[in-house]
Amino acid sequence: QVQLVQSGAEVKKPGASVKVSCKASGYTFTSYGISWVRQAPGQGLEWMGWISAYNGNTNYAQKLQGRVTMTTDTSTSTAYMELRSLRSDDTAVYYCARLLSSRFRKYAFDIWGQGTMVTVSS
Amino acid sequence: IQLTQSPSSLSASVGDRVTITCRASQGISSYLAWYQQKPGKAPKLLIYAASTLQSGVPSRFSGSGSGTDFTLTISSLQPEDFATYYCQQLNSYLFGPGTKVDIK
Repeated sequence: QVQLVQSGAEVKKPGASVKVSCKASGYTFTSYGISWVRQAPGQGLEWMGWISAYNGNTNYAQKLQGRVTMTTDTSTSTAYMELRSLRSDDTAVYYCARLLSSRFRKYAFDIWGQGTMVTVSS
Repeated sequence: IQLTQSPSSLSASVGDRVTITCRASQGISSYLAWYQQKPGKAPKLLIYAASTLQSGVPSRFSGSGSGTDFTLTISSLQPEDFATYYCQQLNSYLFGPGTKVDIK
């Protein structure tokens, strides 16, 4: 079945980096983009950015520009999100999600990973 | 483009008709999706393109609207529908602040 499986929970110190993986299965990886969304404890959903699995093009939320990098490995159908210079307010559950779209239109995030808890604490 | 949702929370009973509103600060055509999220779980897509029901989602869920004003309606609330609901606009991927639906 179509699914995205993310890597496990991480605990990091302030100033460190974290890299979360998202392995896709059940569909042609390069036919869809992948977005990353995070959710701080008790808070709403925050879009972080998007990467095309077809050509690697990216679009990052302005708030995270310069600290986030999204990549893909098409040989393993895996997407990655790296966040640098971590702060306590980066503590959140991080989700990857598949972008349902056509050539001319973006529709929604139709498949989600299970989430990865990242805790930033000294 | 900012999204607001109303109400921010509501209490309802099983069988009630529930309507949640999402308003965009400027027109977004029908580039809007709705998600349901239960505690400790990933969001689940319910509606996309403002009114298209995602495959496998019960028909008691429906969406409407275009431009700046959108609604999600649950025609007869079921026990498994108690959750938080988010709208999302697909021009900049921004999410609304959410509406929590709990048991009266």
